[in-house]
Amino acid sequence: GDSVTQMEGPVTLSEEAFLTINCTYTATGYPSLFWYVQYPGEGLQLLLKATKADDKGSNKGFEATYRKETTSFHLEKGSVQVSDSAVYFCALSERGNKLVFGAGTILRVKS
Amino acid sequence: EPEVTQTPSHQVTQMGQEVILRCVPISNHLYFYWYRQILGQKVEFLVSFYNNEISEKSEIFDDQFSVERPDGSNFTLKIRSTKLEDSAMYFCASRGQTGDYGYTFGSGTRLTVV
Repeated sequence: GDSVTQMEGPVTLSEEAFLTINCTYTATGYPSLFWYVQYPGEGLQLLLKATKADDKGSNKGFEATYRKETTSFHLEKGSVQVSDSAVYFCALSERGNKLVFGAGTILRVKS
Repeated sequence: EPEVTQTPSHQVTQMGQEVILRCVPISNHLYFYWYRQILGQKVEFLVSFYNNEISEKSEIFDDQFSVERPDGSNFTLKIRSTKLEDSAMYFCASRGQTGDYGYTFGSGTRLTVV
């Protein structure tokens, strides 16, 4: 079945550091890919998405590019802030069916 | 921006009791979902619902669980006889019929079974 693998956390960075959170997927078809963010005590918020190969999703300084050849959708941000501290989930959906989530990566940003 | 609304935000119940978690999806959305997240763990799919019937369910969604859309706005998850291991955050989500499959999640209901 479909699955998503994320790098294990926690990831601890200093403010203004470069962020990469790796995400790879396994799917039978051509899924849509998503990054969701969960701030402490809150629900899941869509951060960005990409629906086909080579698409780049971007939002709030975060970016991820849908790489079909490497089945990856790595999340990047050039300069993180303390307010970016959260749990980040990579997810996929095939043909609009259920979302399949990765295990989540905790990001901690120190000032 | 349209929201998915879940109530209550936190529910404490005794083992063996029935609970109903409520969700109001975005009004023009057609597909509805329940997910759960046990503390510190991954988000797990429970069930999807479309056109007034279950379209897919996971192994977790056994006979103790049921979903209903009792009117044009609410979408409920019922757990008939709660167990300690049902303690989790339950998220409702909905999406429209657009090609980009934008799912919107509610803020969740934290269920604690004691």
